[in-house]
Amino acid sequence: DTAVSQTPKYLVTQMGNDKSIKCEQNLGHDTMYWYKQDSKKFLKIMFSYNNKELIINETVPNRFSPKSPDKAHLNLHINSLELGDSAVYFCASSKSYEGQPQHFGDGTRLSIL
Amino acid sequence: GENVEQHPSTLSVQEGDSAVIKCTYSDSASNYFPWYKQELGKRPQLIIDIRSNVGEKKDQRIAVTLNKTAKHFSLHITETQPEDSAVYFCAANNQGGKLIFGQGTELSVKP
Repeated sequence: DTAVSQTPKYLVTQMGNDKSIKCEQNLGHDTMYWYKQDSKKFLKIMFSYNNKELIINETVPNRFSPKSPDKAHLNLHINSLELGDSAVYFCASSKSYEGQPQHFGDGTRLSIL
Repeated sequence: GENVEQHPSTLSVQEGDSAVIKCTYSDSASNYFPWYKQELGKRPQLIIDIRSNVGEKKDQRIAVTLNKTAKHFSLHITETQPEDSAVYFCAANNQGGKLIFGQGTELSVKP
């Protein structure tokens, strides 16, 4: 009965490959997010969607492309993976985008060989 | 630009002692301040939050205080237990709805 679920949990791949991470929330929330947590544990917002519409697009290389087919799903596709992309990627959701608690998924640990 | 500074980066206390983590923010429009606890290998979990119309909020052993004038907010944990050991993050929102996180505090509670 996980509220925010993301797959896969672990992703090990070669440099230059393309990969996707999927996220789904069953909380009925309108807003979903992708965060990157690096080795120093710093949590940085990458993207946010509200009702399938992109509302936050941080300074992220355009190799990263989010897609929200509906408000319960937010996927992240990464092209031409680089060593620096190794991190834990967290999906989160909130009721709306204005000052609401965010609920995080369990994270996807991406390792680039 | 928008910034949230968090101190200390590491904190070690004896079981039963209190722990205090402090944050400052730069965006005067911020009105929502959550605190997250992240255990090793796990997801960040919301433990308490406060809005700008309130100066203090308490939930059992955890309390948060907010000083809007000084743009400071703090997390207080009393009677610490070993299971409180984790990384704690403060955050503040901005006008665009973005949460800006602090750098994290690694709390270690020694039995």
